[in-house]
Amino acid sequence: EAGVTQSPTHLIKTRGQQVTLRCSPISGHTSVYWYQQALGLGLQFLLWYDEGEERNRGNFPPRFSGRQFPNYSSELNVNALELEDSALYLCASSLEGRTEAFFGQGTRLTVV
Amino acid sequence: SQQGEEDPQALSIQEGENATMNCSYKTSINNLQWYRQNSGRGLVHLILIRSNEREKHSGRLRVTLDTSKKSSSLLITASRAADTASYFCATGPNSGYSTLTFGKGTMLLVSP
Repeated sequence: EAGVTQSPTHLIKTRGQQVTLRCSPISGHTSVYWYQQALGLGLQFLLWYDEGEERNRGNFPPRFSGRQFPNYSSELNVNALELEDSALYLCASSLEGRTEAFFGQGTRLTVV
Repeated sequence: SQQGEEDPQALSIQEGENATMNCSYKTSINNLQWYRQNSGRGLVHLILIRSNEREKHSGRLRVTLDTSKKSSSLLITASRAADTASYFCATGPNSGYSTLTFGKGTMLLVSP
């Protein structure tokens, strides 16, 4: 069975641009989470989607947004990129909010 | 803000030795999960322990949970060079729409 898949694996963008990251959860999982792991800052929670709805949002500005599709896959959009957005963006999925969460390999975003 | 806090921040041992990492947290939890991350890639789920469990084993891993002290420990027995990685604890919410909250991790180096 396929795990959580994320695309692309690496991305280089220029400050001010917009980026879309994609995540496909494990089959049967309805919850998708996005985390940002910037150098030295640990994993910071970004967004949680379940059954197509945004359930919770971390302490990030509105230029970080996302959505979940009917097939439970998800997109993370970041507008007006800033240099400090450079990070590893990790997606995870779970059956619902209180079970094991399984992570993808991440998307490494570099903003120059 | 970080819920869990791992201790120590870094640990260096020889192959064959045991490695113990600790995690403390602040609020009531439904479960606590341990993850491993190799070289800034995706997180690998190691083990989940529920709030009504005190100890759990998986292969060379042993996890304990003390809800009265709001702490957990991860023991890796007979460590191998391949265990070199960062280890994170994550606390699962007790209710509502909270999500997994991660500590900053313990970096484990196992030397041959």
